[in-house]
Amino acid sequence: GEDVEQSLFLSVREGDSSVINCTYTDSSSTYLYWYKQEPGAGLQLLTYIFSNMDMKQDQRLTVLLNKKDKHLSLRIADTQTGDSAIYFCAESLTGGGNKLTFGTGTQLKVEL
Amino acid sequence: GAGVSQSPSNKVTEKGKDVELRCDPISGHTALYWYRQSLGQGLEFLIYFQGNSAPDKSGLPSDRFSAERTGGSVSTLTIQRTQQEDSAVYLCASSLGQDLVMNTEAFFGQGTRLTVV
Repeated sequence: GEDVEQSLFLSVREGDSSVINCTYTDSSSTYLYWYKQEPGAGLQLLTYIFSNMDMKQDQRLTVLLNKKDKHLSLRIADTQTGDSAIYFCAESLTGGGNKLTFGTGTQLKVEL
Repeated sequence: GAGVSQSPSNKVTEKGKDVELRCDPISGHTALYWYRQSLGQGLEFLIYFQGNSAPDKSGLPSDRFSAERTGGSVSTLTIQRTQQEDSAVYLCASSLGQDLVMNTEAFFGQGTRLTVV
């Protein structure tokens, strides 16, 4: 199957860490992605991880991949109001022609 | 062009009319996607084109929806006999989409906001 699931909402206080979770069902994923959609804008790639990696760090962003549990997470350290957006995880599938399958998106709200 | 371009940016149409939405992908990108994003909803996959392969139409919600991609570049999404539930933002994305060892970052257009009244 190609289901990718995320919780719909997350609210955090400015300065705290945010953790956005994603689960997927297809074990043949090659790459997993996090996209960010700011209000009124299109989606932009935030970061990605190759499926043979467990972790990737990029400044305030940490991506963790648990391939056994098919669980992907995005941690944002020192969350700022500018991080308020919808975050989508996505996977591309081996043998699927690299077709991307997106999750439903998690709306992150950062409160002062 | 520099990015994925969609037109029109906004479209208001009467129920029952047909509409055409256009997507100009990034030059050289062989993969092209159409998604729909309804208010408060996630990203709904509609259709996927990859090179000369038959398109993956598994996400089209009804036979009123169709899409084509001419010459492997520009794509048009057509909605016939529009209904109010078709109101949404229609997003197009393109990617290099070929080599499995390359990451397949998708570049999104700004979307077409369709309102059916």
